[in-house]
Amino acid sequence: DIQMTQSPSSLSASVGDRVTITCRASQSISNYLNWYQQKPGKAPKLLIFGASSLQSGVPSRFSGRGSGTDFSLTISNLQPEDFATYYCQQTYRTPPYTFGQGTKLEI
Amino acid sequence: EVQLVESGGGLVNPGGSLRLSCAASESIFSHAWLTWVRQAPGKGLEWVGRIKSKAAGGAIDYAAPVKGRFTISRDDSLDTMYLQMNSLKTEDAAIYYCTWDHYYGDSSNYYVSDYWGQGTLVTVSS
Repeated sequence: DIQMTQSPSSLSASVGDRVTITCRASQSISNYLNWYQQKPGKAPKLLIFGASSLQSGVPSRFSGRGSGTDFSLTISNLQPEDFATYYCQQTYRTPPYTFGQGTKLEI
Repeated sequence: EVQLVESGGGLVNPGGSLRLSCAASESIFSHAWLTWVRQAPGKGLEWVGRIKSKAAGGAIDYAAPVKGRFTISRDDSLDTMYLQMNSLKTEDAAIYYCTWDHYYGDSSNYYVSDYWGQGTLVTVSS
């Protein structure tokens, strides 16, 4: 199975900051990489698919990049509603479609 | 918009069984590819398994930790997916989410879980 490793596991930032979360795959997954946001007590929400394509309705301050094994999610001009936990997920070829362990973004 | 509602969670003894349900609001349920994802208390997301639509062959895939103990099925006449969990272990305790998946992108080749239920809590304890 493909292993996904996110870093850091937690991150402190302030409103208005720019932050970057990284995700590394144990083998090349091309750009079959999704990013999800999860707030406490809520189900995850899809932010980005195909490593860099923004899901409809997601603010443009979110951006993703990468290909192969190394990926990143950047949030510019952090807003109060962005403080949450972020997960990457690979969907390369066949299941299991594994998740990273998550990055908690805190104020 | 698709609405998914999980049910069937509860307290079960180690070694016991439980069946979760995921009911959908959409009549096109038969075309859906559906996934179970779980989240242990205070932990991250874990992919559990997926079932394709019958039109796509109905194949089912499982994560290694649950293979042989969990069974995913669907009843398209009831717009419902099931997760039969047997030989439960304490490490199976989690919130279980069902998702309705799609392919996105210009070539429809990016697989995503874009609709999620609210989850149902499974507790495994004696």
